[in-house]
Amino acid sequence: AQSVTQLGSHVSVSEGALVLLRCNYSSSVPPYLFWYVQYPNQGLQLLLKYTSAATLVKGINGFEAEFKKSETSFHLTKPSAHMSDAAEYFCAVSGSGGYNKLIFGAGTRLAVHP
Amino acid sequence: DGGITQSPKYLFRKEGQNVTLSCEQNLNHDAMYWYRQDPGQGLRLIYYSQIVNDFQKGDIAEGYSVSREKKESFPLTVTSAQKNPTAFYLCASSPEAGGSTDTQYFGPGTRLTVL
Repeated sequence: AQSVTQLGSHVSVSEGALVLLRCNYSSSVPPYLFWYVQYPNQGLQLLLKYTSAATLVKGINGFEAEFKKSETSFHLTKPSAHMSDAAEYFCAVSGSGGYNKLIFGAGTRLAVHP
Repeated sequence: DGGITQSPKYLFRKEGQNVTLSCEQNLNHDAMYWYRQDPGQGLRLIYYSQIVNDFQKGDIAEGYSVSREKKESFPLTVTSAQKNPTAFYLCASSPEAGGSTDTQYFGPGTRLTVL
């Protein structure tokens, strides 16, 4: 079975500070990993995804994530937070079940303060 | 513009009533999905469809029903058997059935409140 754990339901950073959102996964098959962002009362938008091509994945809006198999992690980072980054972020894993089933973490709400 | 539309954005229902949420996509995607989102729980899969006229139960299908008569449409009915239907419902689609690396594209969601 696959699962995702996001450490920290709420993260608060200052504008210009490093953003680090943590994601650990469990999977019995090689995983494919995704980060999505959700703004209030909206759907989810893909930030980036790992599909085994490269362990460091760059996404939109300056975000990137590194796949570390030994640590079963796929943490999301951004060097300098912007006020517009305030949103909820979801990590998800797929790779088993015969169809494109995504297993989502519980989400991390990012607050950015001046 | 290609995308996924969901309607209505807000929906209110009295207890004991069935209600249908609309989901339409013009991306020519084969697969479509319905998720339920509750605070602090992430997204949970209700139903998915990999092809027209076929659909499968997800993790929390009880109290819900779907149909897939057209490739672009995947309506969800919340029945009176659903014990706690108040939630944010998200529809998604992806290009191919079975494509584990495919991106799922999400609609804007419908917020259902049971009065």
